[in-house]
Amino acid sequence: DGGITQSPKYLFRKEGQNVTLSCEQNLNHDAMYWYRQDPGQGLRLIYYSQIVNDFQKGDIAEGYSVSREKKESFPLTVTSAQKNPTAFYLCASSADGGQPKNIQYFGAGTRLSVL
Amino acid sequence: QKEVEQDPGPLSVPEGAIVSLNCTYSNSAFQYFMWYRQYSRKGPELLMYTYSSGNKEDGRFTAQVDKSSKYISLFIRDSQPSDSATYLCAMSPTGGNKLVFGAGTILRVKS
Repeated sequence: DGGITQSPKYLFRKEGQNVTLSCEQNLNHDAMYWYRQDPGQGLRLIYYSQIVNDFQKGDIAEGYSVSREKKESFPLTVTSAQKNPTAFYLCASSADGGQPKNIQYFGAGTRLSVL
Repeated sequence: QKEVEQDPGPLSVPEGAIVSLNCTYSNSAFQYFMWYRQYSRKGPELLMYTYSSGNKEDGRFTAQVDKSSKYISLFIRDSQPSDSATYLCAMSPTGGNKLVFGAGTILRVKS
């Protein structure tokens, strides 16, 4: 069954703690993305990666970090520098060969809350 | 001003009604237009995908793009309670794979 798997579904962070959200895809997609969704604000891009070992900052990268060591995996770390981390985090991927490479497919999301 | 504007609603309609959801945008470079449906606490799923101007129909759903007015629409015919969700418009320019999303419109279909 092809798709994007995000884990965990719910995550709680203590003050000063770094937490890592997992995203794995078996769609053989080259590009992967992380978004943050807050009520009434739509999706805001945190980081994206078009190829293994390369990634770029999105619109709201401060307080977050990523790695892309494998094509299938794009974990997101929410660092202690992110002062307002409570949100719904969505991972997506898209094909990067041929059209339509800009169609993004999403995982089920991780809801992060602060204790 | 945001690149993509979308009325957040909520929009409440009776079952069987025709629903019209809309987005306006400011970037004339946008060529690809998408509509995603998102149920509560779930990830968005792609509903419709169109390139440039024109109409596209898929079952009860019709997507329209008017590039001269920088305006896109999604019509839902014979709306059902199961259509109750948040609808997100998204768009991108040619050659790009980054999407710009609207804020989403909450739709409630009452039985």
